Amino acid sequence: QQPVQSPQAVILREGEDAVINCSSSKALYSVHWYRQKHGEAPVFLMILLKGGEQKGHEKISASFNEKKQQSSLYLTASQLSYSGTYFCGTEPMNYRDDKIIFGKGTRLHILP
Amino acid sequence: DAGVIQSPRHEVTEMGQEVTLRCKPISGHDYLFWYRQTMMRGLELLIYFNNNVPIDDSGMPEDRFSAKMPNASFSTLKIQPSEPRDSAVYFCASSLFSGRSDTQYFGPGTRLTVL
Repeated sequence: QQPVQSPQAVILREGEDAVINCSSSKALYSVHWYRQKHGEAPVFLMILLKGGEQKGHEKISASFNEKKQQSSLYLTASQLSYSGTYFCGTEPMNYRDDKIIFGKGTRLHILP
Repeated sequence: DAGVIQSPRHEVTEMGQEVTLRCKPISGHDYLFWYRQTMMRGLELLIYFNNNVPIDDSGMPEDRFSAKMPNASFSTLKIQPSEPRDSAVYFCASSLFSGRSDTQYFGPGTRLTVL
């Protein structure tokens, strides 16, 4: 039930946009997004709890398509500080555990 | 608050030795999670606690791994005996409410190398 992230890696120039996808084989209750910089701990970005919900933080936003069982993270006009590995964490709809399962991550590298 | 505290930050040991990793969650958080991160497997959940009680340990690789939470401010993850394939970064995280609907705050991690 581990979610699948795509692409595995992205290289962009500063100012370009990026989209990171997270897909599940099961209906989802929630999707979480975290960013991890090299050598550091993962840091929370946002949670999406409802189908169709969109959230944003500065130039980073995300959507949650309940029907497609997927979420996408949008990075607009990327900055050097956006470099890192992005993880989605999901909880299937029918599970009532208090945990989420993380995908393997998408490595994002921003070039000046 | 100081955030989630883990110790040691780095651990190098020889195969067969016992390893103990420590975690202090954020005060007042009811949930504590132990994760292992490797390049091959990504971020794996090993075990989590709710109010000091282990709820789900299905991610613990084998009997060599054990975890305890004797009180609300301290948890340990023990590996005995350790093997080279246990080399990884181990993260502890805590959350105020349920881990599936709340922010998890990660500690800085312990980088374990087993020779």
